[in-house]
Amino acid sequence: DAKTTQPNSMESNEEEPVHLPCNHSTISGTDYIHWYRQLPSQGPEYVIHGLTSNVNNRMASLAIAEDRKSSTLILHRATLRDAAVYYCILRDIRNQKVTFGIGTKLQVIP
Amino acid sequence: DAGVIQSPRHEVTEMGQEVTLRCKPISGHDYLFWYRQTMMRGLELLIYFNNNVPIDDSGMPEDRFSAKMPNASFSTLKIQPSEPRDSAVYFCASRPGTSVLLSYNEQFFGPGTRLTVL
Repeated sequence: DAKTTQPNSMESNEEEPVHLPCNHSTISGTDYIHWYRQLPSQGPEYVIHGLTSNVNNRMASLAIAEDRKSSTLILHRATLRDAAVYYCILRDIRNQKVTFGIGTKLQVIP
Repeated sequence: DAGVIQSPRHEVTEMGQEVTLRCKPISGHDYLFWYRQTMMRGLELLIYFNNNVPIDDSGMPEDRFSAKMPNASFSTLKIQPSEPRDSAVYFCASRPGTSVLLSYNEQFFGPGTRLTVL
């Protein structure tokens, strides 16, 4: 399985943009990049996904490197409610399995 | 929409006892997943079903663990006998079936069951 590498933790000031990096150097052509987040004492929730092009939705933006070996989740304006563990995941389109790593714990400072 | 429902939310039991965790997926979802989360190992996929049929149980740790899905609206994860190392939060998730338009894998997670085995 292709694996991802993320920093264990990051900090951000409230109302500032946050860039959460993810490396996936062994990504294959059939792997989609997904991001989930897990708020304290809750189950994970879907944030965004992409294949090759950058993606935007109401929660965040996903910037994917041209060689697809890395990606960045962008929260445009961090709020205290964005404090969570963020998981970068690769999913082969031919498979339903996803492998969650340890993720990045984001702390938002008021 | 009530979302994925899990019960119980908390379970405390003694080593050697049988534990049954329950999950009701979102109506209409074809896939159901069971995960286990611990501090040491993070979030691990145990097993998943498609249309009530187990597809991949390679994540099930050992024979003490079993999962069933007798119908589209109910699944159980059973541990017999339970051991202290089984203490974790167990999540159930569901998602719609695959289609040409659904290139992503948005899984909807339940609130989890916190299991403590003494």
